[in-house]
Amino acid sequence: NAGVTQTPKFQVLKTGQSMTLQCAQDMNHEYMSWYRQDPGMGLRLIHYSVGAGITDQGEVPNGYNVSRSTTEDFPLRLLSAAPSQTSVYFCASRVSGISNQPQHFGDGTRLSIL
Amino acid sequence: GESVGLHLPTLSVQEGDNSIINCAYSNSASDYFIWYKQESGKGPQFIIDIRSNMDKRQGQRVTVLLNKTVKHLSLQIAATQPGDSAVYFCAENGGPPTGAGGTSYGKLTFGQGTILTVHP
Repeated sequence: NAGVTQTPKFQVLKTGQSMTLQCAQDMNHEYMSWYRQDPGMGLRLIHYSVGAGITDQGEVPNGYNVSRSTTEDFPLRLLSAAPSQTSVYFCASRVSGISNQPQHFGDGTRLSIL
Repeated sequence: GESVGLHLPTLSVQEGDNSIINCAYSNSASDYFIWYKQESGKGPQFIIDIRSNMDKRQGQRVTVLLNKTVKHLSLQIAATQPGDSAVYFCAENGGPPTGAGGTSYGKLTFGQGTILTVHP
């Protein structure tokens, strides 16, 4: 049971490039989410999903797309990378969309946009 | 102490001391709270949670106290060890879901964290 797995761990992009951050969980969790973590800003919710085929926007969704075709996977796409998207990205999952349950986080993807 | 949305504080203790990390939350509708530990280069790790129908909950070497009157949450770590050095976050859920697509549905609001340093 690996929990939440994120790839890659590190990535450097040029402005305007696109890429996909991968997230997979093997706990059969319905709920998955993406956060970004910036110094002095805490964790901010980008997008979330309460089940396969269902996604919704979080606090800072602009510039990012998500899809949830399977329960296990929840990729985050940067359409046209901008320096403001330099951050550490965390994927998290929990059993269901009910918010009184702990979320389990991956170890993050450190992304730099030049 | 920490507040959801304010500047990152620090706490330094000696090994073996007890540590208390504080968190002030803003949403009186929140009915679920979590403490996370984040070590350098890793993701947040769940420590302990508490629901609003409780004032206190204990785990292994950790205790969470909830004071709903003043909207205050604290994490107590007993016999702190160097391995406890990390950033500690509290999070609140903003209350029960407001319905399908409701703004509070499934979302946690995180504090910015407190840096705990344990000296041997």
